Amino acid sequence: SQKIEQNSEALNIQEGKTATLTCNYTNYSPAYLQWYRQDPGRGPVFLLLIRENEKEKRKERLKVTFDTTLKQSLFHITASQPADSATYLCALDRDDKIIFGKGTRLHILP
Amino acid sequence: EAGVTQFPSHSVIEKGQTVTLRCDPISGHDNLYWYRRVMGKEIKFLLHFVKESKQDESGMPNNRFLAERTGGTYSTLKVQPAELEDSGVYFCASSQEGQGVPILGGYTFGSGTRLTVV
Repeated sequence: SQKIEQNSEALNIQEGKTATLTCNYTNYSPAYLQWYRQDPGRGPVFLLLIRENEKEKRKERLKVTFDTTLKQSLFHITASQPADSATYLCALDRDDKIIFGKGTRLHILP
Repeated sequence: EAGVTQFPSHSVIEKGQTVTLRCDPISGHDNLYWYRRVMGKEIKFLLHFVKESKQDESGMPNNRFLAERTGGTYSTLKVQPAELEDSGVYFCASSQEGQGVPILGGYTFGSGTRLTVV
């Protein structure tokens, strides 16, 4: 079955630096991959979607890459801010539904 | 526009009781999904409606779970009888696109219902 691994449960980054989160998956390659942000007590909030034929997607301070050969996506937040602290979820499509990773808790230290 | 609304936000029930969760998707969204996160695990798919029809219910844990979406608007998820392992956060999500691949990107999630079975 499809497995998604996000590199670490928690990540501490100094404010102003670039935070890089990793998502690795096994088995088949999805048509697209999504990244979500989740704050405590809230549902996931969609951030970015990248398709299999796209190498990179940007949105403001966010950048996502998608390497179907490595079966990996990287999620970058540049010029990180304490308000970026949250859990970030990687999600892949499979048969008209999405499969989530466990997420990485990102802490931006002031 | 209003987002996805879930009710109640929290529910504490005793083992063996019945609980009904409700989800109001974004108006006009044909696709409605239920997901669940149990402690320490990833968010997992339960089922998918397209309008009032169940497109995929492969994630439903067992026959104690019943989902409905009468009229293709709001949806309910009933757990009867509830067991301890049903505790978790139940999320509802909706999307507009017809073939499951988001055109605009992403799904809109509600804030979830935290269910605790004691």
